[in-house]
Amino acid sequence: EVQLVESGGGLVQPGGSLRLSCAASGFTFSSYEMNWVRQAPGKGLEWVSYISSSGSTIYYADSVKGRFTISRDNAKNSLYLQMNSLRAEDTAVYYCARESHYYASGSPFDYWGQGTLVTVSS
Amino acid sequence: EIVLTQSPGTLSLSPGERATLSCRASQSVSSSYLAWYQQKPGQAPRLLIYGASSRATGIPDRFSGSGSGTDFTLTISRLEPEDFAVYYCQQCGSSPTFGPGTKVEIK
Repeated sequence: EVQLVESGGGLVQPGGSLRLSCAASGFTFSSYEMNWVRQAPGKGLEWVSYISSSGSTIYYADSVKGRFTISRDNAKNSLYLQMNSLRAEDTAVYYCARESHYYASGSPFDYWGQGTLVTVSS
Repeated sequence: EIVLTQSPGTLSLSPGERATLSCRASQSVSSSYLAWYQQKPGQAPRLLIYGASSRATGIPDRFSGSGSGTDFTLTISRLEPEDFAVYYCQQCGSSPTFGPGTKVEIK
């Protein structure tokens, strides 16, 4: 069974840092591209970042570029999101999501974790 | 960036009725790159439809997707109690974007 379990969320002051983790199991993690997607309270979904299966290709949303860093450790079946210079508008539930192998369909996200809440407030 | 709009914002229907949800893109989307997700309160999104019209694994056949270019539709033929949720469309690719969602609520 595919499982994605996020951790690392919590309350942080504006300007602070936080590192999120996503532990993957039930599939060959090193064969899949991964993403982070966030959802502000009561709001819609916002894509945050992408990393290729090898980690060699990375993309970010403009809203987090220069502040967030995505990485992965295929030996540990883990995905990470280092978040620096946090702002109130970064408050959200952060989901890790696996890209499907439906390559001809743009690889939509076929499995999601349960999410971890990040609250940026003084 | 491709902007997606969804309508209506809220759809009030009764179990057994047909639901028709719309997703419109600001520029043409390859029909292969349009997906739909369902999200229930407190849960992660679930992939329903990919490639505009293909059902994901385990998705009942009452869910169907159609459309091309800039206009796409998700249809739920007969609403079951578990279908009341928020539905998002997504354009896939290197900078994926989501629509704002349509809430399907019990009338």
